[in-house]
Amino acid sequence: AQSVSQHNHHVILSEAASLELGCNYSYGGTVNLFWYVQYPGQHLQLLLKYFSGDPLVKGIKGFEAEFIKSKFSFNLRKPSVQWSDTAEYFCAVSIRGATNKLIFGTGTLLAVQP
Amino acid sequence: DGGITQSPKYLFRKEGQNVTLSCEQNLNHDAMYWYRQDPGQGLRLIYYSQIVNDFQKGDIAEGYSVSREKKESFPLTVTSAQKNPTAFYLCASSRSGSYGYTFGSGTRLTVV
Repeated sequence: AQSVSQHNHHVILSEAASLELGCNYSYGGTVNLFWYVQYPGQHLQLLLKYFSGDPLVKGIKGFEAEFIKSKFSFNLRKPSVQWSDTAEYFCAVSIRGATNKLIFGTGTLLAVQP
Repeated sequence: DGGITQSPKYLFRKEGQNVTLSCEQNLNHDAMYWYRQDPGQGLRLIYYSQIVNDFQKGDIAEGYSVSREKKESFPLTVTSAQKNPTAFYLCASSRSGSYGYTFGSGTRLTVV
């Protein structure tokens, strides 16, 4: 069965530090990749997505992610985090050509200290 | 504004009772989904529906039931057979052929 792994369950950073959250998936075929964010008390929101083309994708609020097919990875990065980035981040995968259903990772809770 | 409405926001249930969570969307989306969110486990798919009057089980369907009689509505019933129902439940929808989801604000169910 397909699965998504997020290795960092809880990350604590100071403001202005750089961020990289890992995401790996297990599926040999073509996938669509997503990062969602859930700010405290708010809806899940889409940060960025990758369907095809340039493997480096840019999202909202200065986030970017790089798809490395050979490593089955889609890591999320931000050069300089802010206190307002404190949230839970979810990586998700859907299989191209199948139903739209998303398979989510277990999430990474990011706390940014001012 | 278009979106997904989940109600109620908080729900308390006694053990042995069935309870139904509401999910309504006015986005004209074909597909709708129910996820369960538990700390440290991410979101797990309970049921999904791609068209009216049709739905499929997700990864953790046992103890849950759904219906899709209208395009706008996808209610989830948590039955007494669900062994550990206390959780945060999220409903989502998407257009057919699109991989972008819109999420509701969730219902937190507590069994007392």
